[in-house]
Amino acid sequence: DGGITQSPKYLFRKEGQNVTLSCEQNLNHDAMYWYRQDPGQGLRLIYYSQIVNDFQKGDIAEGYSVSREKKESFPLTVTSAQKNPTAFYLCATLGRLSYEQYFGPGTRLTVT
Amino acid sequence: QKEVEQNSGPLSVPEGAIASLNCTYSDRGSQSFFWYRQYSGKSPELIMFIYSNGDKEDGRFTAQLNKASQYVSLLIRDSQPSDSATYLCAVGGSGAGSYQLTFGKGTKLSVIP
Repeated sequence: DGGITQSPKYLFRKEGQNVTLSCEQNLNHDAMYWYRQDPGQGLRLIYYSQIVNDFQKGDIAEGYSVSREKKESFPLTVTSAQKNPTAFYLCATLGRLSYEQYFGPGTRLTVT
Repeated sequence: QKEVEQNSGPLSVPEGAIASLNCTYSDRGSQSFFWYRQYSGKSPELIMFIYSNGDKEDGRFTAQLNKASQYVSLLIRDSQPSDSATYLCAVGGSGAGSYQLTFGKGTKLSVIP
């Protein structure tokens, strides 16, 4: 069963703690993306990676970090430096038709 | 700064009617255009993409693109209550920017039985 998985679905953390969100894909897609969505807002790009061991900052990278050690995995760490971390986090991959992106189910992070 | 604008809605249509969703974009060099459907609490789902001026039909959905006017729309014929969701317009850049999408904030559609 091919697809994109994100875990956990819900995550609760105390302020000041780092937290890592998982994103795994078995679609053999090269490019992967992390977005953040706030209520009533569009998706904002945090980081993206086009190949293993390479990644680029998006529009709102401050307070976040990523790694891309394997093609299948693109974890996102939300650090304590992120001022407003509570949000819906979405991982996506770039499909093979042409520039279309497919999304995982998302992780809803709440920091109190 | 690339911008994608959508009316936030809510857009309410009766069951069986045509729903028309609109989107404008600022980057004249944009080459690819996408419509995503997002149910409340769920992730976006790709429903249509279009690259050339004109219409593209897929079942009850028709995407329309006018690059000269920097305008893309989505028509949903025979609207069903299950179509009630937020519809996100996304626009890809040109060249190296083709791999990045800029999203609008979405239009909330409500189909009334």
